[in-house]
Amino acid sequence: DAKTTQPPSMDCAEGRAANLPCNHSTISGNEYVYWYRQIHSQGPQYIIHGLKNNETNEMASLIITEDRKSSTLILPHATLRDTAVYYCIVRVDVGSYIPTFGRGTSLIVHP
Amino acid sequence: DTGVSQDPRHKITKRGQNVTFRCDPISEHNRLYWYRQTLGQGPEFLTYFQNEAQLEKSRLLSDRFSAERPKGSFSTLEIQRTEQGDSAMYLCASSLAPPGLAAYTGLELFFGEGSRLTVL
Repeated sequence: DAKTTQPPSMDCAEGRAANLPCNHSTISGNEYVYWYRQIHSQGPQYIIHGLKNNETNEMASLIITEDRKSSTLILPHATLRDTAVYYCIVRVDVGSYIPTFGRGTSLIVHP
Repeated sequence: DTGVSQDPRHKITKRGQNVTFRCDPISEHNRLYWYRQTLGQGPEFLTYFQNEAQLEKSRLLSDRFSAERPKGSFSTLEIQRTEQGDSAMYLCASSLAPPGLAAYTGLELFFGEGSRLTVL
């Protein structure tokens, strides 16, 4: 498994952009980067994934560096409901796919 | 509601008793996963099924744990002779794996709300 490193916690003011970093220096060429989040007392929720190009959907943007050794999840206008634990996951895109969760980053969005 | 549903949501049992959790995935999803999560930790993979076949099991899944998905639809996770260390949130997730590896571009897993087990 490629390993990921995330800061244990971050905070952000409501309405501002939240930029959550993830290091995955051992990522291999065919491994995707996935992001999930888990709001307290709920199951994890898929957010976005990418291989090497930047991606955007209705929830967030994903910026992957050119060498693919790190990425940043961007919540452009964080709200209080974005307070959650955010998990960055790297997994091989062949055969079975089993997301392996670390401890993630606990994001607190404050008023 | 067409999401993943788990039952029961909460279970309190005494040490040594058997417990069973049920997961109903999203109807067209062919893959089903079980995870376990303890306080302050990320979810830990236990096992997963593609249709009715159990394709992989974690070393965390001791012989007291058994999972089934008999008709490729709902799944059950049974824990026999529960121990206090089994206290955790048991999460189920499902996904749709498209046919052919070439089309396999990664999946999003849809998780249920979890079944919280407390072993006294």
